[in-house]
Amino acid sequence: EDKVVQSPLSLVVHEGDTVTLNCSYEVTNFRSLLWYKQEKKAPTFLFMLTSSGIEKKSGRLSSILDKKELFSILNITATQTGDSAIYLCAVEVQGAQKLVFGQGTRLTINP
Amino acid sequence: DVKVTQSSRYLVKRTGEKVFLECVQDMDHENMFWYRQDPGLGLRLIYFSYDVKMKEKGDIPEGYSVSREKKERFSLILESASTNQTSMYLCASSLATQGHDGYTFGSGTRLTVV
Repeated sequence: EDKVVQSPLSLVVHEGDTVTLNCSYEVTNFRSLLWYKQEKKAPTFLFMLTSSGIEKKSGRLSSILDKKELFSILNITATQTGDSAIYLCAVEVQGAQKLVFGQGTRLTINP
Repeated sequence: DVKVTQSSRYLVKRTGEKVFLECVQDMDHENMFWYRQDPGLGLRLIYFSYDVKMKEKGDIPEGYSVSREKKERFSLILESASTNQTSMYLCASSLATQGHDGYTFGSGTRLTVV
């Protein structure tokens, strides 16, 4: 059975800290891994990763994929209160056109 | 701006009622999906559709059905609502072609069954 596991499930830090969110996966036929940010409403797309070792970066957020060890990390540097959200990791299985999601990490940034 | 619109943001229904959750997308996407989101469990796929009048069961289809009569609209139906169907329901759509950047989500419907 395809599975995606995120850790930690919950994280509370102070503004300015750097955080690392983890996502590991076991799928039959990997195609891509995606990260989403969910505040009060719809999850919004952050990154899609398909190749190992290539960092994707957007402002203070970055992510990298390791296809050998089957995991990805999402880094957020110099965190701000606006980064408080649930971060979702999902894996797309080749040929399936659907995503398998992890449980999500609830990140809280305190001022 | 492209959109996936879910008809209700909050809904309260009684046990045994038939419930319709509506989702409309304006992006001409082939694929549409219904997920439910529960704390600690993440998003779990209920049903999805690759095309008009086509549907596929996801991981937790029991107690649900779907309808896709038009490309832009995908409805989730709870035939007889139960309290364990209290949850956040998220609709999403995507292109069928390879290389897409994932889903576009609706804002969700928080359903409470009392």
